Amino acid sequence: KAGVTQTPRYLIKTRGQQVTLSCSPISGHRSVSWYQQTPGQGLQFLFEYFSETQRNKGNFPGRFSGRQFSNSRSEMNVSTLELGDSALYLCASSHGQAKYGYTFGSGTRLTVV
Amino acid sequence: KQEVTQIPAALSVPEGENLVLNCSFTDSAIYNLQWFRQDPGKGLTSLLLIQSSQREQTSGRLNASLDKSSGRSTLYIAASQPGDSATYLCAAYNNNDMRFGAGTRLTVKP
Repeated sequence: KAGVTQTPRYLIKTRGQQVTLSCSPISGHRSVSWYQQTPGQGLQFLFEYFSETQRNKGNFPGRFSGRQFSNSRSEMNVSTLELGDSALYLCASSHGQAKYGYTFGSGTRLTVV
Repeated sequence: KQEVTQIPAALSVPEGENLVLNCSFTDSAIYNLQWFRQDPGKGLTSLLLIQSSQREQTSGRLNASLDKSSGRSTLYIAASQPGDSATYLCAAYNNNDMRFGAGTRLTVKP
């Protein structure tokens, strides 16, 4: 079965712009979580969506937002980009129950210049 | 708030050695613990998932154990190979939130 698909794979944006990243979970999975990975901070949790509702949120500024559609696909938006937003953004899909674990996509590499 | 720590941060071993990676967590009320592998610039590949009611899981040369009472998990890799070189991350899941350790960067030398 198809895995978790993240698009685009690479992105270069200018400071002040906004960006939208997309994540399509495994078919049948209803939960999508987003993570930011940087060399200095490691993997940091952004938010989780389950059945179109944000179920949990990490400690990121309001410039980071997300949503989930009825087909479970999720988008993450970052407004007013800063140089420090350069990172690998990973999404993870799950059934929504802890016992099944998470499956990750390949990530979107965002570079802000 | 759950905190996950991995020791060592980096490890270099000759091919063929057996090795152990350590993961500790502060909140023992976890639903599961998952081990991942990450190659440079890539996403995370799930290796083993241990549910809270289980003590260990095995897959090929990999064996992961979980001791909730002591807040520890170990990943045992038998007969290491150069292809095992990667960063290994553990993640503890509770309260609809998965927390990751910083990872152990493993290098297996031919």
